[in-house]
Amino acid sequence: EAGVAQSPRYKIIEKRQSVAFWCNPISGHATLYWYQQILGQGPKLLIQFQNNGVVDDSQLPKDRFSAERLKGVDSTLKIQPAKLEDSAVYLCASSREGETGELFFGEGSRLTVL
Amino acid sequence: DQQVKQNSPSLSVQEGRISILNCDYTNSMFDYFLWYKKYPAEGPTFLISISSIKDKNEDGRFTVFLNKSAKHLSLHIVPSQPGDSAVYFCEGGGADGLTFGKGTHLIIQP
Repeated sequence: EAGVAQSPRYKIIEKRQSVAFWCNPISGHATLYWYQQILGQGPKLLIQFQNNGVVDDSQLPKDRFSAERLKGVDSTLKIQPAKLEDSAVYLCASSREGETGELFFGEGSRLTVL
Repeated sequence: DQQVKQNSPSLSVQEGRISILNCDYTNSMFDYFLWYKKYPAEGPTFLISISSIKDKNEDGRFTVFLNKSAKHLSLHIVPSQPGDSAVYFCEGGGADGLTFGKGTHLIIQP
């Protein structure tokens, strides 16, 4: 089966600009996650969707970050305006509904904010 | 508050020997734990998991041990192979959600 697809793989922007990342999860996976991984740290959950509803967005900086999952399939994560500390890899993952644990990750989108 | 801790940023092991990666946690509500492996420029991939009601799970060269009283788990890889060189993340999961450790970079030396 096809894996989790993410784009773009790399993005360089200046601070205060905006950026958007796209994720297409594995077909049939109801749960979708966006993680932020800063260099040298573990992935940090930003937002979790179950179908097109938000399950957990407690760690999403809502003043600048937004995410949506229209129709319960693809998802976009937007940052506006970007700050230097947003430089990170943004990982999208999906999992099957009702299963605990195993996440299937995409290759990630590396953001550099100058 | 870091609920999942991997205190060794890196570990170097000779090929053929056993690699032991450690993980400590503080949240006693975790229901399960998972280990992920990550190569550079790739997303993490699932390696092995263990339920909180078990103390051991084995899959080929990989074994995870869970010591609930010590809130400690470890991943054993034996024998270690060059392809095992990667960053390994420990993850705890439960009703409160999923939490990753910072990772341990395993380097397998020839």
